[in-house]
Amino acid sequence: KAGVTQTPRYLIKTRGQQVTLSCSPISGHRSVSWYQQTPGQGLQFLFEYFSETQRNKGNFPGRFSGRQFSNSRSEMNVSTLELGDSALYLCASSHDAGGGTGELFFGEGSRLTVL
Amino acid sequence: KQEVTQIPAALSVPEGENLVLNCSFTDSAIYNLQWFRQDPGKGLTSLLLIQSSQREQTSGRLNASLDKSSGRSTLYIAASQPGDSATYLCAVGSGNTGKLIFGQGTTLQVKP
Repeated sequence: KAGVTQTPRYLIKTRGQQVTLSCSPISGHRSVSWYQQTPGQGLQFLFEYFSETQRNKGNFPGRFSGRQFSNSRSEMNVSTLELGDSALYLCASSHDAGGGTGELFFGEGSRLTVL
Repeated sequence: KQEVTQIPAALSVPEGENLVLNCSFTDSAIYNLQWFRQDPGKGLTSLLLIQSSQREQTSGRLNASLDKSSGRSTLYIAASQPGDSATYLCAVGSGNTGKLIFGQGTTLQVKP
């Protein structure tokens, strides 16, 4: 069974540009969550999508957005990039069955560098 | 607001030692607690998941305990090996959702 797949793995952008990251969850998983990891702030929750709807949202500005498709694949977009957006962006999926364990499985991440 | 703290921030031990990593959380109304391992530049690997109704979980040389009333969890690693060197992260979930609150992690180095 394939794990969580994130693309691209590495990318470099300049300030003001926008970026789109992709995440394919484990087959059968309906929940996809996104996290930002930086040395200073650690791992911070961005948002979660379930059945194509945003279910939870963290404390990030509106420049950070996402969506989920009918096959559960998800994308996140960051517009008007700032230097501080340089980070490892991690995607996680869970099965989210009723009464489930809530266990999250993470991908390898997308390393974004903003110059 | 849930806060998760991990102590110590870094730990260096000789190979073969048994060790304990600590995790504390401020709100005891949790759904689950998950321990992860992260190698440099990599994603997170799930090690153990403890449901709120459970006291401990074991996998191989790893044992995680949960005491909700005191807001604490420990990860016990038996007979440590150099391959155990990584950052260990504790995360708390308040419901069956994808939102976890993470601690800052403990970076472990096991010396041969």
